[in-house]
Amino acid sequence: DQQVKQNSPSLSVQEGRISILNCDYTNSMFDYFLWYKKYPAEGPTFLISISSIKDKNEDGRFTVFLNKSAKHLSLHIVPSQPGDSAVYFCAANPRNQFYFGTGTSLTVIP
Amino acid sequence: EADIYQTPRYLVIGTGKKITLECSQTMGHDKMYWYQQDPGMELHLIHYSYGVNSTEKGDLSSESTVSRIRTEHFPLTLESARPSHTSQYLCASSEWKGFSTNEKLFFGSGTQLSVL
Repeated sequence: DQQVKQNSPSLSVQEGRISILNCDYTNSMFDYFLWYKKYPAEGPTFLISISSIKDKNEDGRFTVFLNKSAKHLSLHIVPSQPGDSAVYFCAANPRNQFYFGTGTSLTVIP
Repeated sequence: EADIYQTPRYLVIGTGKKITLECSQTMGHDKMYWYQQDPGMELHLIHYSYGVNSTEKGDLSSESTVSRIRTEHFPLTLESARPSHTSQYLCASSEWKGFSTNEKLFFGSGTQLSVL
């Protein structure tokens, strides 16, 4: 059974608007989360992470929000750019393991 | 520049062939991983290693083997390739420090394997 879920396989947004990608997890013991971006035929690249001691972490246009009570996190991209078009994976990292979601394919329309 | 390298980038082979996918990293990381990923699916762990002479099995390990003779090198071997092995194979490393949290994976560019 999947422990990290990304229920939206795809998302389209206009350039300049906000992109919001969502991720849910099942295990309340998970305490560190990461977002990766992946282009076709490339390896994932690290975007941003958050520890469970925080509820928000920001890096430039990227902000990750963590709602521990809901076991939910989201990645906000503002403003969205065409180069942001990629697949975004959410991952949880309890000790010595990684659990990945199935990814959300983001398309930013110029 | 510290990086993680995978070769080949693309490989098309026939059923029954033995193949080795290469992975090398110059990041000085102890822990290394192999993942398999198909479009629309999560990354599945095949093998991982804590360091030299350490290899551990993941969820999809039964049809492949790995070795870790040098810190920087972690090759993956399929003894007899089948069409079901067609997938993208991703090598990764991390600056693992024992049972610490906040581990971050650094990925190579991947090998796209097609078995005919």
